[in-house]
Amino acid sequence: AQSVSQHNHHVILSEAASLELGCNYSYGGTVNLFWYVQYPGQHLQLLLKYFSGDPLVKGIKGFEAEFIKSKFSFNLRKPSVQWSDTAEYFCAVNGGNQFYFGTGTSLTVIP
Amino acid sequence: NAGVTQTPKFQVLKTGQSMTLQCAQDMNHNSMYWYRQDPGMGLRLIYYSASEGTTDKGEVPNGYNVSRLNKREFSLRLESAAPSQTSVYFCASSYRTGGQETQYFGPGTRLLVL
Repeated sequence: AQSVSQHNHHVILSEAASLELGCNYSYGGTVNLFWYVQYPGQHLQLLLKYFSGDPLVKGIKGFEAEFIKSKFSFNLRKPSVQWSDTAEYFCAVNGGNQFYFGTGTSLTVIP
Repeated sequence: NAGVTQTPKFQVLKTGQSMTLQCAQDMNHNSMYWYRQDPGMGLRLIYYSASEGTTDKGEVPNGYNVSRLNKREFSLRLESAAPSQTSVYFCASSYRTGGQETQYFGPGTRLLVL
């Protein structure tokens, strides 16, 4: 069965610290990979996506993610977080007609 | 473009009441989805519609029905609401081309069932 795992449930960082959120997926076919962000009280917004090509993908607000096919991973990174990055982050995989979401990682950035 | 819109934004129901959540998109997307979001469980797919005239069950369809009224609109109906259906409901739409597909989400409907 298809699944997406986000092992970090809650991350707390100080401003300017570096961020890496893990995402692993299980899917047998070709996949498209996504990271979404949900700011408090808001809907999900697309941060970045990977379809093919360069496995290092750059998104909005300084975020990037690296697709490592051999590890079935698509980790999200940011070199220096800001207080405004406090939000919940969801990794998602598109396979077939469906999207599969991880359970989310809550990020709190302390000023 | 308004993107994906949902109504209502908030709703309180009593157990056993029925209601319909409305969703519309103006991006000419083929596929539409209904998810529920619960703390610690991420997003779980209730139903989806890959194209106008088709609907399919997702991970948690029990207690729900859907209607793909036309290409723009995809409604979710709770026939007899239960407290377990207290959740935030998100509608999404997507368009697939060349094997690439991205979902866009609506603002959500917060539902409380007493």
